[in-house]
Amino acid sequence: EADIYQTPRYLVIGTGKKITLECSQTMGHDKMYWYQQDPGMELHLIHYSYGVNSTEKGDLSSESTVSRIRTEHFPLTLESARPSHTSQYLCASAIQGLTEAFFGQGTRLTVV
Amino acid sequence: RKEVEQDPGPFNVPEGATVAFNCTYSNSASQSFFWYRQDCRKEPKLLMSVYSSGNEDGRFTAQLNRASQYISLLIRDSKLSDSATYLCVVPSRNSGGSNYKLTFGKGTLLTVNP
Repeated sequence: EADIYQTPRYLVIGTGKKITLECSQTMGHDKMYWYQQDPGMELHLIHYSYGVNSTEKGDLSSESTVSRIRTEHFPLTLESARPSHTSQYLCASAIQGLTEAFFGQGTRLTVV
Repeated sequence: RKEVEQDPGPFNVPEGATVAFNCTYSNSASQSFFWYRQDCRKEPKLLMSVYSSGNEDGRFTAQLNRASQYISLLIRDSKLSDSATYLCVVPSRNSGGSNYKLTFGKGTLLTVNP
């Protein structure tokens, strides 16, 4: 089993609130990813990082921001949540190179 | 051509059937490929890695055809527990060309019926 953890698992929050989704891994992986996935739909890459102080935007435009101050930690922040942000957010990590990624269990976000 | 394209499905097969999914990729320089399995409302989990012409693990066989740029996943003797979405994954260069990111296909839904 991969050692990558996301908190919270479920979150219901009001419109306009600031939220941070946490993702931590204990494998020392350099690469970390955030994906967004609606039910029954494909995964969309929204942010990724190749190491400390390295972050890039993914293929899907997102109003969220990320930071990578420590190797093991890759939090995602929404400054002002909206109902359109309702989705599942999946964090993943991988070692460098052409390798597979390991996923956390996801955060299911509902903005009301 | 999209970076990664999969058979749209869905596939409905009886127990014991053999089923195959295809995935095409656009970047001829891609060297490694992955098949993930995702159960409903769960995270994707690695099923198989493909680094050369193919890979076999029990009832599952992945084959790579570099000339035609496609990867296939074959499942023999399907079980009810094989019901899931199967995702094809191809590493692709980021915009700066300095590193790789993982690009997922849309997935193919398989339902194995009793």
